[in-house]
Amino acid sequence: DQQVKQNSPSLSVQEGRISILNCDYTNSMFDYFLWYKKYPAEGPTFLISISSIKDKNEDGRFTVFLNKSAKHLSLHIVPSQPGDSAVYFCAASEGNTGFQKLVFGTGTRLLVSP
Amino acid sequence: DAGVTQSPTHLIKTRGQQVTLRCSPKSGHDTVSWYQQALGQGPQFIFQYYEEEERQRGNFPDRFSGHQFPNYSSELNVNALLLGDSALYLCASSLGDSDEQFFGPGTRLTVL
Repeated sequence: DQQVKQNSPSLSVQEGRISILNCDYTNSMFDYFLWYKKYPAEGPTFLISISSIKDKNEDGRFTVFLNKSAKHLSLHIVPSQPGDSAVYFCAASEGNTGFQKLVFGTGTRLLVSP
Repeated sequence: DAGVTQSPTHLIKTRGQQVTLRCSPKSGHDTVSWYQQALGQGPQFIFQYYEEEERQRGNFPDRFSGHQFPNYSSELNVNALLLGDSALYLCASSLGDSDEQFFGPGTRLTVL
């Protein structure tokens, strides 16, 4: 039962272009969403998050969009840089328990070529 | 400011053995969560500790147990190891019930 899905295992873009990573979820109780970036031999690093009361959150080159009706969120990276090449995980949590467990997708490997 | 640290980095065990993995949270953090990441998958939540108590548990058997110490560090114990327990075990720390969790580099466990 995969509650958070990242249907694209990989994505290749050219440096300077936009990268769009997608994530779908099935649990309507999720109310907080996060994106993590993971380099080989390192743990996931927090990138950006969004609460379900918002539909957009921006931090520098990174913007996350949330469409609650479609249960879909996306991460936009503009402009993409070679250093952005990594595996990106979408994660979600339910707010009603107080202590959050994160439910992760399977990840999308982004390759940004010079 | 030290981030989340985990030990050991790598570990090789045989089926039926027991293993203990260790985690020190980021300075100032009091909550520790453990995740298992199998090859090609996203991290899966095992359990979370706060104030030395298990607060939440994922869908893992009782062979997986843990502990949190007064200094907030934590251990993950796995008994009767199976081949399927081979994975990267990640520890994450946070402050209280914050959603933002900081991950360590993980311990790579191989069960032969």
